[in-house]
Amino acid sequence: TQLLEQSPQFLSIQEGENLTVYCNSSSVFSSLQWYRQEPGEGPVLLVTVVTGGEVKKLKRLTFQFGDARKDSSLHITAAQPGDTGLYLCAGSRNKLVFGAGTILRVKS
Amino acid sequence: DTEVTQTPKHLVMGMTNKKSLKCEQHMGHRAMYWYKQKAKKPPELMFVYSYEKLSINESVPSRFSPECPNSSLLNLHLHALQPEDSALYLCASSQTDRALNQPQHFGDGTRLSIL
Repeated sequence: TQLLEQSPQFLSIQEGENLTVYCNSSSVFSSLQWYRQEPGEGPVLLVTVVTGGEVKKLKRLTFQFGDARKDSSLHITAAQPGDTGLYLCAGSRNKLVFGAGTILRVKS
Repeated sequence: DTEVTQTPKHLVMGMTNKKSLKCEQHMGHRAMYWYKQKAKKPPELMFVYSYEKLSINESVPSRFSPECPNSSLLNLHLHALQPEDSALYLCASSQTDRALNQPQHFGDGTRLSIL
């Protein structure tokens, strides 16, 4: 059983479109992190959300942490080919628990 | 450039070989991690070292043997691996092993192929 359910698994969109990736759990996490991984590289931290209801913006990326700290979302506005990669959510408990990941492909 | 350096980048070995993967960080982090990642899947935790002591072993087979010679270095010794062990092996570090709100810094990994 996956502790963190991430959806969708795959997303292929055109440049300029918007998208949202979801990360859901039945468990409460003290914080949630989002990473992006490009082929041939390790995951790179995008953001950490800590407070229930928190919203953080990173240029065209908007991250939300659910009020109950059980879920999170990543919204990308006007996607660009450089956004292509594997997006991973990860929850903090006694260790980092990763979701299954979302493979995003943005076509030009 | 990543602040966690892993060598080698690629490794091909036979099932009877002995090899080692190396990881180095100079951020003063006191927790270091080994993950295994299959293609298009999330990283799977293997080992956690905290203050140079093994704190978590996720039931990893004994053909994988971790070692932490000092606070900056982490090794993974490999012996008698199986073809299903082929994967990307990622090293990561964080300030401490208390995962609470602590980001992990990942290396770019070693791509391991077992023949």
